[in-house]
Amino acid sequence: AQSVTQLGSHVSVSEGALVLLRCNYSSSVPPYLFWYVQYPNQGLQLLLKYTSAATLVKGINGFEAEFKKSETSFHLTKPSAHMSDAAEYFCAVSAGETSGSRLTFGEGTQLTVNP
Amino acid sequence: NAGVTQTPKFQVLKTGQSMTLQCAQDMNHNSMYWYRQDPGMGLRLIYYSASEGTTDKGEVPNGYNVSRLNKREFSLRLESAAPSQTSVYFCASESQGRGRGAKNIQYFGAGTRLSVL
Repeated sequence: AQSVTQLGSHVSVSEGALVLLRCNYSSSVPPYLFWYVQYPNQGLQLLLKYTSAATLVKGINGFEAEFKKSETSFHLTKPSAHMSDAAEYFCAVSAGETSGSRLTFGEGTQLTVNP
Repeated sequence: NAGVTQTPKFQVLKTGQSMTLQCAQDMNHNSMYWYRQDPGMGLRLIYYSASEGTTDKGEVPNGYNVSRLNKREFSLRLESAAPSQTSVYFCASESQGRGRGAKNIQYFGAGTRLSVL
């Protein structure tokens, strides 16, 4: 069984400020972890993925996330927010490599970037 | 590149009506998924198909049926729509590419926004 908890359904930052979106997971097997972004009226796009290689994962648009097994966390960060980062962000976990591995999503965090 | 294509984009139904949501992918992926998205609940898996010819229930399958018509197409059917099925529906397909980096990435369509009155 696996689950994801995203802390904070809404996060607001100023343009140029640090972005930190929190995700904690639970998994009975070594997990694969993902961050997806959803812009208004669009589908989800992959930001980055952790698959048990390097614990610090770099993604698109300057985002990165660090896997911390001891804390069961996979928080998403970006050093300097841009207006175009305003979107909803979803953390997700899967059981690994088998074809048809099911993703379990968190409830999402809406990021607002203020000028 | 088309990726994952969903039709229709919008639909309004009356309670009790039926409809089929269509999904097609052109990436030669084996696995396909149907999710629904509701405010504050993230995405919940309705049904999935790990490969052509197989389908399995997800977290919220009641009131839905699916058909994996061929490797490209995976449709979702509402036999008798209910207001509780008002939602945004997403189809996704999953890569099985070479190497760890390419595997298990789900690609999503743009969604179908369904209202049941």
